Amino acid sequence: QKEVEQNSGPLSVPEGAIASLNCTYSDRVSQSFFWYRQYSGKSPELIMSIYSNGDKEDGRFTAQLNKASQYVSLLIRDSQPSDSATYLCAVNPSSGSARQLTFGSGTQLTVLP
Amino acid sequence: DADVTQTPRNRITKTGKRIMLECSQTKGHDRMYWYRQDPGLGLRLIYYSFDVKDINKGEISDGYSVSRQAQAKFSLSLESAIPNQTALYFCATRPGQGYTGELFFGEGSRLTVL
Repeated sequence: QKEVEQNSGPLSVPEGAIASLNCTYSDRVSQSFFWYRQYSGKSPELIMSIYSNGDKEDGRFTAQLNKASQYVSLLIRDSQPSDSATYLCAVNPSSGSARQLTFGSGTQLTVLP
Repeated sequence: DADVTQTPRNRITKTGKRIMLECSQTKGHDRMYWYRQDPGLGLRLIYYSFDVKDINKGEISDGYSVSRQAQAKFSLSLESAIPNQTALYFCATRPGQGYTGELFFGEGSRLTVL
């Protein structure tokens, strides 16, 4: 089982709709969770971080965390064509000498005009 | 200018050749990383370094080696390149203190091994 799993997509939504991206993780005691956005041919950039159960909102983006169910999600409201990108879920594992971010394989989102 | 600079940006080479990818940063960060990205596999950690004397293997270090020449420079070498090392390689940095989870990535080096 991969440590961090995402639906690879592609996910297509019409402009103005809500895009919902999901991620599950296997390390039950992970504490920090992140969403990176990666445009085609570009490097990843951090867009959201979340550490506590519940919702965290930043503009059109909402991250949701449920540690009991071991999932984290990203909602994008009023989706725009400029949101078309691959979204990478990343988890900071709690155990092991590495303690480095583990990334999911990414979900490709296309917002249709 | 980019804070994290990778060279070369694109490289085509042949099986068995030695390749070096270089990364330099002006962010003053202690920690540097090399990742590779393959379609459908996300970012996988190859090596990481906490300072010039502290280098650690990541998830997929076989076939790779690294050198931390200075705080600002971290190079990745493929001693004898093979086709399945064809991928997009990213260098990344982060501070040792005050870590928020944000990695700062270079623009990537696309390597093709024929």
